[in-house]
Amino acid sequence: SQTIHQWPATLVQPVGSPLSLECTVEGTSNPNLYWYRQAAGRGLQLLFYSVGIGQISSEVPQNLSASRPQDRQFILSSKKLLLSDSGFYLCAWAPDSYGYTFGSGTRLTVV
Amino acid sequence: SQQGEEDPQALSIQEGENATMNCSYKTSINNLQWYRQNSGRGLVHLILIRSNEREKHSGRLRVTLDTSKKSSSLLITASRAADTASYFCATPDYSGNTPLVFGKGTRLSVIA
Repeated sequence: SQTIHQWPATLVQPVGSPLSLECTVEGTSNPNLYWYRQAAGRGLQLLFYSVGIGQISSEVPQNLSASRPQDRQFILSSKKLLLSDSGFYLCAWAPDSYGYTFGSGTRLTVV
Repeated sequence: SQQGEEDPQALSIQEGENATMNCSYKTSINNLQWYRQNSGRGLVHLILIRSNEREKHSGRLRVTLDTSKKSSSLLITASRAADTASYFCATPDYSGNTPLVFGKGTRLSVIA
């Protein structure tokens, strides 16, 4: 069966520090991969999505970047975090656009 | 871009009662999906209804879709305390190939 792993679960980082969040999927090949961010009590904002290795689409210009170095690995990065980068980051995968499976999320607090 | 908007923002009911949440969207869609999120957790896919369907059931869940009104509803029957969560609707565009756009969600509290 397919599983998705996202880590770390929580992260406290100082302003200006780098960021790397990793998401991996098991049990499937060539999945569509997504990064969303959720502000407290709010809906989900699509940040990046990828339909294949090296293919990244950015939805919101900001302080973040994404990479897909392997078929089932999706990484969210930042060179210098801002206070506004705080939030709940969610990775998801789908075989197509039908029925996303989400990871357990990373709570990022930038201080 | 597509956006679902849930209504109400928050709902509080007694255990055993039915809970109804609504979702409105802006343009033509291929399908509409409902997700649940427990506090501090990832979202869980509940049900998908295609644009040519009007009603769908899954256990205690009943989803309707009215494409002429661009709206959907999620009914949870005989609610339980474990149903306490936020519920989101999500849509891709008409082709079904774009990433899902989520609404802001309805926070449901079921009181035992």
